[in-house]
Amino acid sequence: QKEVEQNSGPLSVPEGAIASLNCTYSDRVSQSFFWYRQYSGKSPELIMSIYSNGDKEDGRFTAQLNKASQYVSLLIRDSQPSDSATYLCAARMSGNTPLVFGKGTRLSVIA
Amino acid sequence: GAVVSQHPSRVICKSGTSVKIECRSLDFQATTMFWYRQFPKQSLMLMATSNEGSKATYEQGVEKDKFLINHASLTLSTLTVTSAHPEDSSFYICSARSKQATEAFFGQGTRLTVV
Repeated sequence: QKEVEQNSGPLSVPEGAIASLNCTYSDRVSQSFFWYRQYSGKSPELIMSIYSNGDKEDGRFTAQLNKASQYVSLLIRDSQPSDSATYLCAARMSGNTPLVFGKGTRLSVIA
Repeated sequence: GAVVSQHPSRVICKSGTSVKIECRSLDFQATTMFWYRQFPKQSLMLMATSNEGSKATYEQGVEKDKFLINHASLTLSTLTVTSAHPEDSSFYICSARSKQATEAFFGQGTRLTVV
């Protein structure tokens, strides 16, 4: 059973702080990892993808992958109230396999 | 980025009727489309995977005769919820991916309410 685990939260951080979101996955053959942001009642939108061990930075977002520990994280620097949403972690094996999603972590950035 | 258009965004139907949801890739050829369902405060649950020109592969527990999926072209897939019941009320989301891409892009979602 392929699983992606996330703490459901809510995770509350003050505006301007760093928000740290964590995710673990069970399937060692997973090769592609994604972070999506989903606002209430809306469809998920892709924020970051990461495929190699280490860090990947894009603006205020940094994704971190550790395949040995089967761990993926997302850091949001200078958090803004508009970042308040549910963040979904997803993993996929190579090829044409579908994404496996975690249940999401609800982030609340307090002004 | 790639655009996936899903229609309708919201539909209310009577119990026992059928509802068709369309998912279109507007600027790329979607060789694979995924259909998800999301209940309130839950994560996305994969219902089925469809490759263009082939029969859809359904996840365990998803009734293929109730949720009809057609992926007859590289830009369009449809999900038909047949004989809908109130328990089918949910947020249905499609996702599309081209053959070369590692990322899949989501449609806007369809909020289905069966009364």
